[in-house]
Amino acid sequence: GPKVLQIPSHQIIDMGQMVTLNCDPVSNHLYFYWYKQILGQQMEFLVNFYNGKVMEKSKLFKDQFSVERPDGSYFTLKIQPTALEDSAVYFCASRRGRNYAEQFFGPGTRLTVL
Amino acid sequence: SQWGEENLQALSIQEGEDVTMNCSYKTYTTVVHWYRQDSGRGPALIILIRSNEREKRSGRLRATLDTSSQSSSLSITAAQCEDTAVYFCATDPGGADRLTFGKGTQLIIQP
Repeated sequence: GPKVLQIPSHQIIDMGQMVTLNCDPVSNHLYFYWYKQILGQQMEFLVNFYNGKVMEKSKLFKDQFSVERPDGSYFTLKIQPTALEDSAVYFCASRRGRNYAEQFFGPGTRLTVL
Repeated sequence: SQWGEENLQALSIQEGEDVTMNCSYKTYTTVVHWYRQDSGRGPALIILIRSNEREKRSGRLRATLDTSSQSSSLSITAAQCEDTAVYFCATDPGGADRLTFGKGTQLIIQP
């Protein structure tokens, strides 16, 4: 079936550094999402993105976070600067279009902030 | 039930048994998604039930939805070892373009 890819699978960085998480969504999908999952807890919505713009973001999407998808390439989540509480698994998802409910998820990027 | 302050629930059954997992949600939703997540992987949709449906079947899976009590269930018939995974329900509160996930049920099928 359709696959969402995420690069890297793991990232370890020092607090205060910048990190960029990359997502390669399903090729004909139009809506993109980032979710955050702390170990043992439920997955939580961060942000959605459509037509080059952020449509909605949650309170977890701090000022240090930003997303973009330049020229239809990777959909990225950038955190600058990182904090200890940013340690989590970040999942990217994409959805085909307005009339399609299913979100397809990538395998996640495990981010560890030291 | 997956909502509330409880931690991730764990459920262990024998292969061949039937199992039902429950989910309650707080805000009106247009659809309830049931996802499974295998260790080290992202969630994968297994069944989706819309607010105008009371029951949906897919192979050994059966989902129900009761909009009056804001609850949904997922049943697996004749569970197999490969059904071992974490199962989440997710809603789109008020029809918003985002998913709100429950805490999940860790289902373990013993051979």
